Amino acid sequence: QVQLVESGGGLVKPGRSLRLSCTASGFTFSDYYMTWVRQTPGKGLEWVSTISSAGSATYYADSVNGRFVISRDNAKNSLYLQLTSLRVEDTALYYCTREGQQWLVGPNWFDPWGQGTLVIVSS
Amino acid sequence: DIQMTQSPNSLPASVGDRVTITCQASQDIRNNLNWYQQKPGKAPKVLIYETFNLGTGVPSRFSGSGSGTDFTLTISSLQPEDIATYYCQQYESLPITFGQGTRLEIK
Repeated sequence: QVQLVESGGGLVKPGRSLRLSCTASGFTFSDYYMTWVRQTPGKGLEWVSTISSAGSATYYADSVNGRFVISRDNAKNSLYLQLTSLRVEDTALYYCTREGQQWLVGPNWFDPWGQGTLVIVSS
Repeated sequence: DIQMTQSPNSLPASVGDRVTITCQASQDIRNNLNWYQQKPGKAPKVLIYETFNLGTGVPSRFSGSGSGTDFTLTISSLQPEDIATYYCQQYESLPITFGQGTRLEIK
């Protein structure tokens, strides 16, 4: 079955870096746009970044542009998010999501979602 | 950025009720609107995509309608397993934005 499993979250001090990973299985990873969405109790769901199926195009929310970098390794069925210059307001549960339809130019709708990996930024 | 506003924020309802949640976009998003269901402790799951289309395995009691700036998610007969928070999301333009969520509760 289609599965997305995130890892790499943790407790980190402001200004530090972290790398999130998402391992995909059960579908042809290279056929899909992939996206990171984060969730906080206060701000709800927030789109973070999207990458095209081949990795040639990337898109970012203004709040993370210049600090986060999305990438993928289609040979390893893996999606990544490099978080740098972390801020307290980056504290959230980070979800890896797949574009809802194969070969569709995204981002559009997200299906499925991983279980999330928690990032806590605190001194 | 396109702002998405859902109403109500919370909705007490009884099993068997017809339930309606609305989502308003701050500008015309045509039919580029999705709905997600999130149960406590779980990741969101797509319910409706492109305004009208049911996600895989989603029961037919869920339906979506609307166009432009005003959209509706309807549950024709509320079931206990429908207790969750519901979010709308637009993809007309970047950044992708979500509504603040509507928490559905059993009355």
